[in-house]
Amino acid sequence: QQPVQSPQAVILREGEDAVINCSSSKALYSVHWYRQKHGEAPIFLMILLKGGEQKGHDKISASFNEKKQQSSLYLTASQLSYSGTYFCGTEGAGNTGKLIFGQGTTLQVKP
Amino acid sequence: EAGVAQSPRYKIIEKRQSVAFWCNPISGHATLYWYQQILGQGPKLLIQFQNNGVVDDSQLPKDRFSAERLKGVDSTLKIQPAKLEDSAVYLCASSLPASGRVNEQFFGPGTRLTVL
Repeated sequence: QQPVQSPQAVILREGEDAVINCSSSKALYSVHWYRQKHGEAPIFLMILLKGGEQKGHDKISASFNEKKQQSSLYLTASQLSYSGTYFCGTEGAGNTGKLIFGQGTTLQVKP
Repeated sequence: EAGVAQSPRYKIIEKRQSVAFWCNPISGHATLYWYQQILGQGPKLLIQFQNNGVVDDSQLPKDRFSAERLKGVDSTLKIQPAKLEDSAVYLCASSLPASGRVNEQFFGPGTRLTVL
């Protein structure tokens, strides 16, 4: 039931774009995205609810395809500060607040 | 607004010893979560509280782990006795809604446990 994230790791140069995918085998109510830097707590990025919405914040946006049970996180014109591990957390039907996190995608942005 | 507080930040114990972690959520947050994060993996939910009641503890190893949130505010997680595989970061998170809404979880800095 753990969502599968791809790719496992990405190395970028500043200014380049990246896409991180999150796939679930179960019907989803919502998808949460977090970024975690080494030795720190995960930081909330955004939530997407079922209904196929797309959200954006600065140069980071995400989409949620309810039918495919997939979400994608888009990072455009990446900055050094984007480096870290990105986790998707999926919430199943029932809106219980319980999240199952993927294994993470490590993003490294180089100058 | 103060964030989620956790203590201690680091703990080293021998296997078979006991250990306890403390968490104080953001004021007013009804829901509190304890996660275990093993190095290189995503956080794994151990237990979820709504006020002082348990919502989900299906992945809590109840033979050695226990948790309580007696007054619906702060919480403690205990491991007794500890095993080598319990070495991990224990994260506490809280969220606002009592029910029926989606909201982000705010994480504390975590407690890094090393079992020798």
